[in-house]
Amino acid sequence: DTAVSQTPKYLVTQMGNDKSIKCEQNLGHDTMYWYKQDSKKFLKIMFSYNNKELIINETVPNRFSPKSPDKAHLNLHINSLELGDSAVYFCASSSTPEAEQYFGPGTRLTVT
Amino acid sequence: AQSVTQLGSHVSVSEGALVLLRCNYSSSVPPYLFWYVQYPNQGLQLLLKYTSAATLVKGINGFEAEFKKSETSFHLTKPSAHMSDAAEYFCAVSPFGNEKLTFGTGTRLTIIP
Repeated sequence: DTAVSQTPKYLVTQMGNDKSIKCEQNLGHDTMYWYKQDSKKFLKIMFSYNNKELIINETVPNRFSPKSPDKAHLNLHINSLELGDSAVYFCASSSTPEAEQYFGPGTRLTVT
Repeated sequence: AQSVTQLGSHVSVSEGALVLLRCNYSSSVPPYLFWYVQYPNQGLQLLLKYTSAATLVKGINGFEAEFKKSETSFHLTKPSAHMSDAAEYFCAVSPFGNEKLTFGTGTRLTIIP
């Protein structure tokens, strides 16, 4: 059973398009996260939701909008994609904001 | 504010040799510290964590790390490297547990047969 899953695994799209990445966790966790890993492997948190409420919102362009329809899902929608958005995006979850985080396999986004 | 510095973006060791990956942290409050491993094309997996209990922390796959407050360090070690240890390793710090993890830039570990 996959604890944290993301779809799609790979996403290639053109500049200006709008795309979404989906994340689901079957661990019963209350807290979910989105991270961005750039080409140099630098990993940085973007958002965190606890019980469907936003608790961390780092300095991220407002083209990025997370949506949590329920505690098991945290989707990431990106408008007007730019070349610099190319990266690997990781979803993670934890039982509480203080607990260990479990990461998904990542979504490699390539913007051309 | 907190930050993490990982010394050495690439480390190569021979199979069977000691693995030492360095991590120094900066935190304005007592930190929680973590080591994660990322295998190629996979997500991150927690190796071990320090949460203000024992300063020597044992993790999975034979790894351990020692918290040294005087040196603001949390270096990762393994006595004998195995080929399967080849991966990217990330040190991370958080002020109050995992609420806001700040990661280092990672160290790529290569094992030489």
